[in-house]
Amino acid sequence: NAGVTQTPKFQVLKTGQSMTLQCAQDMNHNSMYWYRQDPGMGLRLIYYSASEGTTDKGEVPNGYNVSRLNKREFSLRLESAAPSQTSVYFCASSGTGLKPYNQPQHFGDGTRLSIL
Amino acid sequence: EDQVTQSPEALRLQEGESSSLNCSYTVSGLRGLFWYRQDPGKGPEFLFTLYSAGEEKEKERLKATLTKKESFLHITAPKPEDSATYLCAVQAGGANNLFFGTGTRLTVIP
Repeated sequence: NAGVTQTPKFQVLKTGQSMTLQCAQDMNHNSMYWYRQDPGMGLRLIYYSASEGTTDKGEVPNGYNVSRLNKREFSLRLESAAPSQTSVYFCASSGTGLKPYNQPQHFGDGTRLSIL
Repeated sequence: EDQVTQSPEALRLQEGESSSLNCSYTVSGLRGLFWYRQDPGKGPEFLFTLYSAGEEKEKERLKATLTKKESFLHITAPKPEDSATYLCAVQAGGANNLFFGTGTRLTVIP
């Protein structure tokens, strides 16, 4: 009953380093999302993938890239980390049905990323 | 511009003291309003989806309602295990993504 699995759970980087956050879901969902959560702000969408093979920018895409590796996996890459990217990153997925645009999103437990 | 505002920011209740959390929204073409619960160090956990004004959903001590401008999450006779941050989010227009409020941090004191 894993749902959405994110790795790593914690990471500390130095400014300018790169890293990839991994996300996998086992619910056969078509859509996947990356959000960031900062104190005093709601979760904000970075990128999303409506289906395998497609990706689109969200509200705060600058400094990030994504790859939808297959239906299960959606990764987020920081090419040159900056202190402003210190945050908690959440991956989510949602299914499709009669009303694809309002299926609930299911979240992983996040990656806590600190950039020094 | 789409906007979601939750109030209060924080709420402390005695065990058994019922109350309501508010989520007001300004969006074009609401497709769904979602309530989530988030525990410290965890991801948001889905509670309810509401699609149209007048709709209500219930789960144990929680009841969510929706009007054309706001949603309420009513908590009846809360227990300490109901302590968490409750998040409201909307999906609007043709967008896939959710637009979140900043949450209400609920503490229930035994």
